[in-house]
Amino acid sequence: DGGITQSPKYLFRKEGQNVTLSCEQNLNHDAMYWYRQDPGQGLRLIYYSQIVNDFQKGDIAEGYSVSREKKESFPLTVTSAQKNPTAFYLCASTPGQGVSYGYTFGSGTRLTVV
Amino acid sequence: AQSVTQLDSQVPVFEEAPVELRCNYSSSVSVYLFWYVQYPNQGLQLLLKYLSGSTLVESINGFEAEFNKSQTSFHLRKPSVHISDTAEYFCAVSRMDSSYKLIFGSGTRLLVRP
Repeated sequence: DGGITQSPKYLFRKEGQNVTLSCEQNLNHDAMYWYRQDPGQGLRLIYYSQIVNDFQKGDIAEGYSVSREKKESFPLTVTSAQKNPTAFYLCASTPGQGVSYGYTFGSGTRLTVV
Repeated sequence: AQSVTQLDSQVPVFEEAPVELRCNYSSSVSVYLFWYVQYPNQGLQLLLKYLSGSTLVESINGFEAEFNKSQTSFHLRKPSVHISDTAEYFCAVSRMDSSYKLIFGSGTRLLVRP
């Protein structure tokens, strides 16, 4: 079945470390997104990419970086510059026709700073 | 800019009772509207969406939402809830003329009690 795979499900990071969250989709979707979820704050957009080799900052991009070298993959790196990285991270995708088709979400990665 | 307000952070209700989860949005342009559901430690799943046409939209599991343009609302209702409906529900909006990004509300936790 087609879908989005996020790995790992749980991730622990030490202070000062960079970590990379994986997001892979086999839906042939053009656009991919990264959201951060904190309790009581809903979802906030970090980065999004509409086509390969192109991406745009969302509302809270500081301290994060992404790449889009393949259509299927959109990894997110949480850098040491992100001061409060503990959160639930969700990856999503949409077909080329845009969000009217609805997002498909992965099952998320829970990142904890130790 | 668009924004979404979900006034109720938590809604407790007894099984088989009706429920309404409120969503109001703000936008200067026409929008698409969505409801997503999230079960614990999972990604979000599309529940229903309003794109155009009939202002009342329904999901396959008994939920419905009505688009009210004059009140800029898109409230979610179910006439009789089940224990399995316990989850977090997110309202989201997207501009029709730039439909790659979703803006999410802060979520409402529906707690169904026996």
